[in-house]
Amino acid sequence: AQSVSQHNHHVILSEAASLELGCNYSYGGTVNLFWYVQYPGQHLQLLLKYFSGDPLVKGIKGFEAEFIKSKFSFNLRKPSVQWSDTAEYFCAALSAYGGSQGNLIFGKGTKLSVKP
Amino acid sequence: DARVTQTPRHKVTEMGQEVTMRCQPILGHNTVFWYRQTMMQGLELLAYFRNRAPLDDSGMPKDRFSAEMPDATLATLKIQPSEPRDSAVYFCASRRGDNQPQHFGDGTRLSIL
Repeated sequence: AQSVSQHNHHVILSEAASLELGCNYSYGGTVNLFWYVQYPGQHLQLLLKYFSGDPLVKGIKGFEAEFIKSKFSFNLRKPSVQWSDTAEYFCAALSAYGGSQGNLIFGKGTKLSVKP
Repeated sequence: DARVTQTPRHKVTEMGQEVTMRCQPILGHNTVFWYRQTMMQGLELLAYFRNRAPLDDSGMPKDRFSAEMPDATLATLKIQPSEPRDSAVYFCASRRGDNQPQHFGDGTRLSIL
């Protein structure tokens, strides 16, 4: 079955530390990948997306993610986190074909807590 | 900016009562999704529609949940009868077409006592 795995349930960092959140997917073939962020008490917002082309994708608020096809990974990075980055981060994948077309599969989410 | 609008934002009711949640997708978006978010299960897809036709509702408990799109500007999710285990945040999302990102509403925080 198609799935998205996020390895860390909760990450705690100090401000200015670098961030990398892992995401692996189990699709074969063409896949579109997304990172969403959910600030406390708010809805999910799109951080960045990868459809094709340059595997290093830049998103909003200084986030970026790298698509590595051979590793089925789409890890999220930020060089220096801020307290305002405290949120839950969801990786999601969308198969571009097949019976699941249209169905975005989400990972379980990673809670990021940034200490001031 | 266009937004997905969900009502109500909060709902508290007693078990056994009917609950109806509404969603207005972004104008021009042809696919609408309903998700449920809980601490234990995370984000679960309940159902989704494309061009108002239900495509997949396998994530939804059929005995008490129903999802409909009476027109292109309104999607509803109904629970009857409600149970305490239905307490969660219910999100609606819409997108313009296949392979486009989903835009989420603010959610309905449902508490069943």
